[in-house]
Amino acid sequence: QKEVEQNSGPLSVPEGAIASLNCTYSDRGSQSFFWYRQYSGKSPELIMSIYSNGDKEDGRFTAQLNKASQYVSLLIRDSQPSDSATYLCAVNRDGGSQGNLIFGKGTKLSVKP
Amino acid sequence: DAGVTQSPTHLIKTRGQQVTLRCSPKSGHDTVSWYQQALGQGPQFIFQYYEEEERQRGNFPDRFSGHQFPNYSSELNVNALLLGDSALYLCASSVTGSMATQYFGPGTRLLVL
Repeated sequence: QKEVEQNSGPLSVPEGAIASLNCTYSDRGSQSFFWYRQYSGKSPELIMSIYSNGDKEDGRFTAQLNKASQYVSLLIRDSQPSDSATYLCAVNRDGGSQGNLIFGKGTKLSVKP
Repeated sequence: DAGVTQSPTHLIKTRGQQVTLRCSPKSGHDTVSWYQQALGQGPQFIFQYYEEEERQRGNFPDRFSGHQFPNYSSELNVNALLLGDSALYLCASSVTGSMATQYFGPGTRLLVL
């Protein structure tokens, strides 16, 4: 079983719709969770971090964490063509400042005008 | 406030050669992590440096080595390059004790011929 799994996509949504991106992880000891956005040919850019069960909202983005189900998701409301990118889910297995990030392969999102 | 910087941006080497990549962390950050991202994959953790010492290491051979300087900048060295080392090399910086929120630099794209 892979440590962090994401659907590779592509996920295609129309402009203005809600995009839902999902991620599961295998290590129950994981303590912090991150979503990064990566445009083609560029480096990952941090969008959201979440550490506790429940929802965390930041503008059009909402991260959801369910540690019991080992599941983390990202919702993008009012999707824009500029949101078209690959979204990487990352998990800090060790917690604290010493942990390294374990990444999924990413989900490619395409927002159609 | 300068973000994470990396040099060079692109590099072409031949098999068997050695390469050195450089990273300057975000202002106020003391921890540097290096990742390798192959095409179509998520970043994979190489190692992390803190207080000029390697604190954690991923599943990479000894051909990959690094260094951190007193000003927190870091180098990644790869010896005896293989074709499979062609990838985007990412540096991420963070602050110890900050739940490992890592910010990525623009990356160095290495092509081994």
